[in-house]
Order: sequence, then structure tokens, then C-alpha cells
Amino acid sequence: EVQLVESGGGLVQPGGSLRLSCAASRFTFSSYAMTWVRQAPGKGLEWVSGISASGGSAYYVDSVKGRFTISRDNSKNTLYLQVTSLRAEDTAVYYCAKSSSDWYFAAFDIWGQGTMVTVSS
Amino acid sequence: EIVLTQSPGTLSLSPGERATLSCRASQSISSSYLAWYQQKPGQAPRLLIYGASSRATGIPDRFSGSGSGTDFSLTISRLEPEDFAVYYCQQYGSSPGTFGQGTKLEIK
Repeated sequence: EVQLVESGGGLVQPGGSLRLSCAASRFTFSSYAMTWVRQAPGKGLEWVSGISASGGSAYYVDSVKGRFTISRDNSKNTLYLQVTSLRAEDTAVYYCAKSSSDWYFAAFDIWGQGTMVTVSS
Repeated sequence: EIVLTQSPGTLSLSPGERATLSCRASQSISSSYLAWYQQKPGQAPRLLIYGASSRATGIPDRFSGSGSGTDFSLTISRLEPEDFAVYYCQQYGSSPGTFGQGTKLEIK
């Protein structure tokens, strides 16, 4: 079964950092763009960042530009999101999702179970 | 940025009834790059429809999508108990990709 498993979330103080990981299995990871989507408690979905299949192109929503960095290691079938300068409003479940194409502006056909990031002092 | 507005916010229906959910975009969505997702409490979203009207793998044919330009809809022809959930539309035709605020489909 195609699977995405996130890890790396937790409780962090404002201004702190975390690295989220997403391990992919049972599909050709290097052929598809990947994305991070977050959901604040009780709220809707927000697309945060995407990276092309090759890793050569990335996109960020304005609210995280300069603070979050997306990357991927196609040899390890793993997607990452380095989150820094965290704010209370970054508190959310962070989902990784597989794009249905090699470009990150696409429908997301496989989702992980999510990892919770809580920013609080 | 394209803003997606979903209506109604909450829809109360009974099993066996027909549900129609709306998603309106602030600008025309190119090439009908519009998707629909279902999310149940405590679970990740699940892709139902992409390209405005194509069902994703394994999605029952009671789910159908339609529309173009700025007006799109998701129809569930005959509600099953497992269909009660929150539904989101998403556009991916222009950057940044955006989601609607969701429609909660609840049991009447």
C-alpha cells in the first residue's frame, strides 16, 4: 500500500525550530512533486509549501517564506520541512501529501496521517 | 491569489438523500484544475475528485463533480452513513494553490 509517514512534530517555544520528515513507501518517490499542508486546530486546510519531483523548484505560501525550507532526498524517499522562527499561529497538524504529477500545483492523491506542531511558551 | 468560497457552511441531510456542495472561485480556474477532498474527524483528507469531474481511484460513483470557470459543485447522489464529513475544494491552476473553507455535511 502506498504510504506516507510523518514525524518530527512536537511542542516548541516561540522562535524555536523543528525538522519535520515524511517517509514515503511503495511508489516511485522521485517521479512526483510533494507538498506540505497544515491544519490549525478546528480550522481548514492551508497549503504551505511544495517541491518539484527533482527538487529543483520549490514554492512557499507568503506567511512562511524565509522561515520554512522544504527539501527532499530521493535516495531515501523522504521529504523534509525545516521550520524556524516559529510563531503561535504556526500551531497545526502538518500533513505531507503526494502530488498527482511532477509539479506541486496539482491534486494531492496520497496523504500522511499528520504530525502536530505546537508553538507555546 | 484565488479565493474559494464554499457553500453552505453546514448541510444537514438524511442518509439516502442527495447532497450538492458548491465551490465558487474569485477568478476563473484554468483548465478546471479543481479538486474535492473529504475529511473525517481525526483523519487526513482523502482525494475524491480532480480536474473538476474525474473520480480518484477507489471513489464510489455516487460522488460526482462538475463545473468550470468560477463555479463548481460536488454531488453525492445518495448519502451513505460514512459520507458525513467535511468537504474541501482546492484549486491548483494558479499559485498559490488554495483551499476553500469547507462544508460540513451532517446527519439530520
